[in-house]
Amino acid sequence: DSGVTQTPKHLITATGQRVTLRCSPRSGDLSVYWYQQSLDQGLQFLIQYYNGEERAKGNILERFSAQQFPDLHSELNLSSLELGDSALYFCASSATDRGYGYTFGSGTRLTVV
Amino acid sequence: GQQLNQSPQSMFIQEGEDVSMNCTSSSIFNTWLWYKQEPGEGPVLLIALYKAGELTSNGRLTAQFGITRKDSFLNISASIPSDVGIYFCAGQLGYGGSQGNLIFGKGTKLSVKP
Repeated sequence: DSGVTQTPKHLITATGQRVTLRCSPRSGDLSVYWYQQSLDQGLQFLIQYYNGEERAKGNILERFSAQQFPDLHSELNLSSLELGDSALYFCASSATDRGYGYTFGSGTRLTVV
Repeated sequence: GQQLNQSPQSMFIQEGEDVSMNCTSSSIFNTWLWYKQEPGEGPVLLIALYKAGELTSNGRLTAQFGITRKDSFLNISASIPSDVGIYFCAGQLGYGGSQGNLIFGKGTKLSVKP
């Protein structure tokens, strides 16, 4: 157990729908990072939050958004889903915003049908 | 965007053999990291390298941060069946903000025959 908790583990939904993925960071970690893992693109950085504030953005689509709440858990919202959004979505956390010592969760497997 | 070229894509070896994989980039990185991912799990950090030329070991694993800061390799000695998995290299351009996110290679899938 890495200490980073992601729910749900699996999600199957239809095109056009909206889903929310949840991440609880390791105790004491203030930074949360979201990554997407697909067969063709590999692991791609989406977005980072530190202590409730957005710190960095990567290849995140406009249909996707995220936020980090006062209790430090984070949610990734994916809307107007397309077949190509099917992927593993990982959350990682670290103590600071400097990018040291990432710890990844087990991921949410999203299947869009 | 930035890309890491990781090779080989896959390896199928006999138990007890040594394994070597590497990553190269056209960009200079401040940090190189090596992760292992097993089915149904997230990547787990194996080794982190912070200085050019640094050679670091973790049990049977040894990794080096290339002198040019554009490459890194990972060696696994005397492989065992539980080494099976996908190994990823990752680099960080800097620390903090957009520099601190990880740029991953496409992975090396390792299979070990007992």
